[in-house]
Amino acid sequence: DGGITQSPKYLFRKEGQNVTLSCEQNLNHDAMYWYRQDPGQGLRLIYYSQIVNDFQKGDIAEGYSVSREKKESFPLTVTSAQKNPTAFYLCASSDTRTDTQYFGPGTRLTVL
Amino acid sequence: EDQVTQSPEALRLQEGESSSLNCSYTVSGLRGLFWYRQDPGKGPEFLFTLYSAGEEKEKERLKATLTKKESFLHITAPKPEDSATYLCAVQGGGSNYKLTFGKGTLLTVNP
Repeated sequence: DGGITQSPKYLFRKEGQNVTLSCEQNLNHDAMYWYRQDPGQGLRLIYYSQIVNDFQKGDIAEGYSVSREKKESFPLTVTSAQKNPTAFYLCASSDTRTDTQYFGPGTRLTVL
Repeated sequence: EDQVTQSPEALRLQEGESSSLNCSYTVSGLRGLFWYRQDPGKGPEFLFTLYSAGEEKEKERLKATLTKKESFLHITAPKPEDSATYLCAVQGGGSNYKLTFGKGTLLTVNP
């Protein structure tokens, strides 16, 4: 079954801790993305990667970091420098023939 | 800068009552306009991609249309299971894969 998986579904973090959100896809897509969703706001792009070992900052990259060592995987680390990390995080990947992005189920991060 | 405005913010319909959702956009060289459905606590589910003005796509009770300034998502004879937030996004010619999303329309269909 092809798709995008994200783990964990729920994550709780204490202030000052770094946490890593997992995103894996088996759609053979080259491009992958991380978005953040807050109530009453549109999805905002954090980072994206068009190819292995390369990634670019999106609109709100401060306080986040990513890596892309494998085509299938694009983990996101939320660092202690992110001032307002409580949000719903969505990972996506895209088919470069159609530019259509497909989303995973999301991870809800709560800072205690 | 690409911009997307969706209206209304919320829409309540009775089962069977057809209506339309609007997505107005400004973009430099449209590469594509995308519609998604999002259920509470879940990731967006892809519905349609439209590439040029005049294009239309249909799926069950949903039909998406595109002009040079806006897109409509028409819902015909909706059912309660169509209740969700509908998201619109655009990709501009200079965006290099970036999508700009609207805030969404929350649709509630009452039985």
